Amino acid sequence: AQSVTQPDIHITVSEGASLELRCNYSYGATPYLFWYVQSPGQGLQLLLKYFSGDTLVQGIKGFEAEFKRSQSSFNLRKPSVHWSDAAEYFCAVGSFNQAGTALIFGKGTTLSVSS
Amino acid sequence: DAGVIQSPRHEVTEMGQEVTLRCKPISGHNSLFWYRQTMMRGLELLIYFNNNVPIDDSGMPEDRFSAKMPNASFSTLKIQPSEPRDSAVYFCASSSAGGDINEQFFGPGTRLTVL
Repeated sequence: AQSVTQPDIHITVSEGASLELRCNYSYGATPYLFWYVQSPGQGLQLLLKYFSGDTLVQGIKGFEAEFKRSQSSFNLRKPSVHWSDAAEYFCAVGSFNQAGTALIFGKGTTLSVSS
Repeated sequence: DAGVIQSPRHEVTEMGQEVTLRCKPISGHNSLFWYRQTMMRGLELLIYFNNNVPIDDSGMPEDRFSAKMPNASFSTLKIQPSEPRDSAVYFCASSSAGGDINEQFFGPGTRLTVL
């Protein structure tokens, strides 16, 4: 069965420090992978997505993620965190068919940024 | 574009009452998704539609939940009768299906409290 695991429930990072959020997936075929961000009281916004090709994908707000098939991982990174990055981050795997992409989300990682 | 529109944004009701959540997808999108977010279970896909037809409703928790999409610009999620354990944030998302995989755009959510 498809599943997504985000091992870290809560992470605190100092402003200006680097960030890595972990994501592991279980999927029988080539996965379609996504990272979304949710600010308090808001809906989800797509940060980046991976379908094929270059395993290092760039997203919005300075985020990037690397797909590692051998480790079934799709970790999210940012070299320097800003206070505005404090939010909840969700990794998701999608199964694609002509009817659209149904997403399975991880439980999320809450990022706090300290000054 | 106005994005995905959900109403109401907040709903407080008493156990046993009927609750109807509404969603207007982005114009031109032909896939629509209903998700539920709780602390315990995270983000769960309840049901999704393609071209107004329900494709997968396996995530609908029980018969008290029903969803309809009478046309391309409107969908409802109904809970009858509501129970306290239905308290959650309900998100609607839309995407354009077919061809390349497309991003799901999320609405702001409806926060439901059942007393």
